[in-house]
Formats: sequence, C-alpha cells, structure tokens
Amino acid sequence: AQTVTQSQPEMSVQEAETVTLSCTYDTSESNYYLFWYKQPPSRQMILVIRQEAYKQQNATENRFSVNFQKAAKSFSLKISDSQLGDTAMYFCAFMSGGATNKLIFGTGTLLAVQP
Amino acid sequence: GAGVSQSPSNKVTEKGKDVELRCDPISGHTALYWYRQSLGQGLEFLIYFQGNSAPDKSGLPSDRFSAERTGGSVSTLTIQRTQQEDSAVYLCASTLGRKDQPQHFGDGTRLSIL
Repeated sequence: AQTVTQSQPEMSVQEAETVTLSCTYDTSESNYYLFWYKQPPSRQMILVIRQEAYKQQNATENRFSVNFQKAAKSFSLKISDSQLGDTAMYFCAFMSGGATNKLIFGTGTLLAVQP
Repeated sequence: GAGVSQSPSNKVTEKGKDVELRCDPISGHTALYWYRQSLGQGLEFLIYFQGNSAPDKSGLPSDRFSAERTGGSVSTLTIQRTQQEDSAVYLCASTLGRKDQPQHFGDGTRLSIL
C-alpha cells in the first residue's frame, strides 16, 4: 500500500525567508501524481502545486516550487519570500496512476510565518 | 455558487443518533470524494464517486457509514448510530475526473458527538 510521510509536524519561518517542507512516499508504481495542498485556519483545502511522476522537470508556481527526487521518493515543497498569508497546514498527497483514484495524504506540517 | 458547498457547517449530536452530511459539488464535476479529518491528523479517504460507475467504498470505516450520490450531483454521507470516535471534520471534494486535476474542497462539516 502507498504511504505518505511528512516528518515535520511544525515549522516556523520569518517573513520574506525561504522554507522547505519535506515529504516522502512509498510506492512500487512508476507513474503517479503528487500534490501539495494548503489548509489555512479557515479550513478550506487549496491546491498549491502538483507534479506528474513521468515529468522530470520540477513544478513551479510563483513562490512555490518542488524538489522531486523520484529515485529517493521525495517530494519537498520550497516556499520563497514567505508571507504571513502562507501560515497554514500543508499536506503532501499521492495519487496512483493506476485504477484507484484515492488521494493519500500525509499527516501535514503546520507552518507558521513570523513577522 | 462556484465552489463545493457542504452543509451543515457544524453538527452536534448525541451518541447513538444518525446524522446526514450533504455535499453539493461544482457543476460539471463528475468525480466526488468524501474524507474524514480527525484532530491533528491528515485526511482519511472514505468514498469516491465517478460518474455512473460503482463507487469506491474501500475507505468507509464501518457499516455504520454509507453514502450516495443522486443524479450525479449532490451527495449525502450518512453515519448511523454515531459514536464519539466519529467526531471529526468531514470534507467533500469534487474534480473533473482526471487524475492530474486538482480536487476542489468544501469548507467541511465539523461533527461533534456528545
């Protein structure tokens, strides 16, 4: 069974600094999809960034980028120029490229951006 | 509205009662998911609907949990004979159905069992 591990329950970063959130996963598949979701205190989950496993180029969305290391099964999220509004829970998620459409989530990292 | 709508926002009920949680997905989205988020935990997959296909119920924790989706749109998650361990936030998400598409989440229903 696939699993997603986020080893940092909490992190803190100063405004305007850069922070990296780690995520590792376990799968025997070669094709799959990886996502980072953000859940602010308002509770609504929002997609931050996504990566398809067969694409070698790391995905980037404005201040958010990933370091996708397929061999190491690692999918870290880098947030540059951190802003107060980035304060949230961040969840890493995995979806198989096969028949199942389950999205498997990690336990999350609570990021606090300090002024 | 343009987003996924869930009702009620909060539900408090006594142990042993049945509850129904509603999800209204984004218009045109063929796939609908239910998740459970317990305090301090990640999201736990419960059930998945895709078009007219048989739902994937593999995440339902017990036979007290059931869900249906009528007319390919609105979905209802029903929990019978509620237990205190059912207390959680129940999140619904919808998507166009392709694997690479983002899931659009509702604000969730916070269920508290007394």
